[in-house]
Amino acid sequence: QEQLVQSGAEVKKPGASVKVSCKASGYTFTDYYVHWVRQAPGQGLEWMGWIYPNSGGTTYAQKFQGWVTLTRDTSISTAYMELSRLKSNDTAVYYCARVKMTPDSFDIWGQGTVVTVSP
Amino acid sequence: SYVLTQPPSVSVAPGETARITCGGDNVGWKSVHWYQQKPGQAPVVVMYYDSDRPSGIPERFSGSNFGNAATLTIGRVAAGDEADYYCQVWDTTSDHWVFGGGTKLTVL
Repeated sequence: QEQLVQSGAEVKKPGASVKVSCKASGYTFTDYYVHWVRQAPGQGLEWMGWIYPNSGGTTYAQKFQGWVTLTRDTSISTAYMELSRLKSNDTAVYYCARVKMTPDSFDIWGQGTVVTVSP
Repeated sequence: SYVLTQPPSVSVAPGETARITCGGDNVGWKSVHWYQQKPGQAPVVVMYYDSDRPSGIPERFSGSNFGNAATLTIGRVAAGDEADYYCQVWDTTSDHWVFGGGTKLTVL
């Protein structure tokens, strides 16, 4: 079935970087945008940006420009989100989700990846 | 930047109707999507393009969007509907996606 499977939990120190993967299966990876959304503990959903796997084109939320990098490897149908210069308030669950085209809904989500930033 | 405002919580008795609002400046001109998130799980879309229901979502769920408020209505609420609900729009001005702050639905 169509699904997105994310990499496992990460624990990082402040100042480090983290790279989370999101592997697509059951559909044509290059036909859908991949968006990234994060959720801090007890908080709401925060949109981070998207990548279009077909072209590699990206758009980032203004807040994340300059310290989030979205990439993809079409040979293995996988999208990546790298967050640099981590701080303790980057501790969150990071989700990937697919969208056919803007402004369609996010119809399939990954299971989420917990990133903990701790000294 | 565009802001969506939701009530932090809504409480209803089983069998009653829950209405969750999502306020925004002329949100009626935008397409609103709604997501349900249960503890420890990823969000799931329960309503898209204001009032379209994905397959598998009960007919008890309906949506509307007029003026400055969109509404997700859940009829005959059951314990299994207890969750956080988020509205979402795409803001054409900024080319950014925006989520509301979320509403916790409690079934009394």
